[in-house]
Amino acid sequence: AAGVIQSPRHLIKEKRETATLKCYPIPRHDTVYWYQQGPGQDPQFLISFYEKMQSDKGSIPDRFSAQQFSDYHSELNMSSLELGDSALYFCASSSPPGNTEAFFGQGTRLTVV
Amino acid sequence: GDSVTQMEGPVTLSEEAFLTINCTYTATGYPSLFWYVQYPGEGLQLLLKATKADDKGSNKGFEATYRKETTSFHLEKGSVQVSDSAVYFCALSSAGGTSYGKLTFGQGTILTVHP
Repeated sequence: AAGVIQSPRHLIKEKRETATLKCYPIPRHDTVYWYQQGPGQDPQFLISFYEKMQSDKGSIPDRFSAQQFSDYHSELNMSSLELGDSALYFCASSSPPGNTEAFFGQGTRLTVV
Repeated sequence: GDSVTQMEGPVTLSEEAFLTINCTYTATGYPSLFWYVQYPGEGLQLLLKATKADDKGSNKGFEATYRKETTSFHLEKGSVQVSDSAVYFCALSSAGGTSYGKLTFGQGTILTVHP
């Protein structure tokens, strides 16, 4: 069965550079969620989109932005990268209403040097 | 706000031992509760879930019961295997509609099982 696809799997950037992470949800899933997991930490919710509109916002820095496109894939744009942005970034997708499960991708590991 | 508290780890067991990982939560309304597992270098996989009080989620020998009176969702397995070594996250989702995937996670418990 098709799963959530994230690209790239690994990314190395320098401080103050920008990064773009991509997420391709499971077919027919219309909701996408982004999470950030720092080293040894639990995943923290950043932002979500439903039908291409932002549906909820968590602890996402102002330097980050995201959007969902007409084909339902989503991109997380990160600017002025800081060392503290080094983390595993997960995307998850679901298909409400009535669905109580979100399916996670394998994540993008971002390292800022 | 919503919060999830897991027992502090890590947990180290011998193969075939009994496993319990405690999880308690604070949430408004009637949340759905989940256990996710993360193997080294991998993403999060849903292990089991429960969507209402007294529901029991089960999968691969793991079980957890949604206890509203004690606001708990403890994970148990009767006989662990080396392959169960991973990080286990308790999580909740307190809103329906477009927020089923907006999860609040516990801090995670590292489980190591020795032969």
